[in-house]
Amino acid sequence: KQEVTQIPAALSVPEGENLVLNCSFTDSAIYNLQWFRQDPGKGLTSLLLIQSSQREQTSGRLNASLDKSSGRSTLYIAASQPGDSATYLCAVSGPDYKLSFGAGTTVTVRA
Amino acid sequence: DTAVSQTPKYLVTQMGNDKSIKCEQNLGHDTMYWYKQDSKKFLKIMFSYNNKELIINETVPNRFSPKSPDKAHLNLHINSLELGDSAVYFCASSHATGKGQETQYFGPGTRLLVL
Repeated sequence: KQEVTQIPAALSVPEGENLVLNCSFTDSAIYNLQWFRQDPGKGLTSLLLIQSSQREQTSGRLNASLDKSSGRSTLYIAASQPGDSATYLCAVSGPDYKLSFGAGTTVTVRA
Repeated sequence: DTAVSQTPKYLVTQMGNDKSIKCEQNLGHDTMYWYKQDSKKFLKIMFSYNNKELIINETVPNRFSPKSPDKAHLNLHINSLELGDSAVYFCASSHATGKGQETQYFGPGTRLLVL
């Protein structure tokens, strides 16, 4: 059974600092890994999807890396802004269409 | 322009009642999902339909019954509601290539509170 762990559970940084969010998974037989953002009381917004054959994906200030063999992914957010405050969720997809989610990292960016 | 929509957004009901949550997507996707997010914020898959056919059915009580009248809709009916059913229920959709490689798009969630 796939287990996804996200560390840290919460993170508070001053505006402008770079954010590093970690995700690990136990079963390396994944098809892809997704990073989502969830704002309080809202749904999930997909940020980045990394296919199992890829090592990283970039979108604006966001960069996500994937090391499938070691079961790890890292989401980097450069030059953080107060608007980046949210919960970030990591999810991995296997051959059965299922997404297994981590518990999330709650980020607070202080102005 | 709403991609994945759910109704209602909030649902407060008494134990023992039967309720339904509706989901619709206008993205042309062929696969739809129901997830439950509990008080600890863990998201867990409940069901998935591909072209109106059930493909994922996790270990959930049989009081929960999904229904997909067409590819764009996946409804969730819950019988005999219990306190432990209180959670946020998310609908999602995606294209399924057979290798699970497509981004899932989520609805805004339905916040269910059972009293």
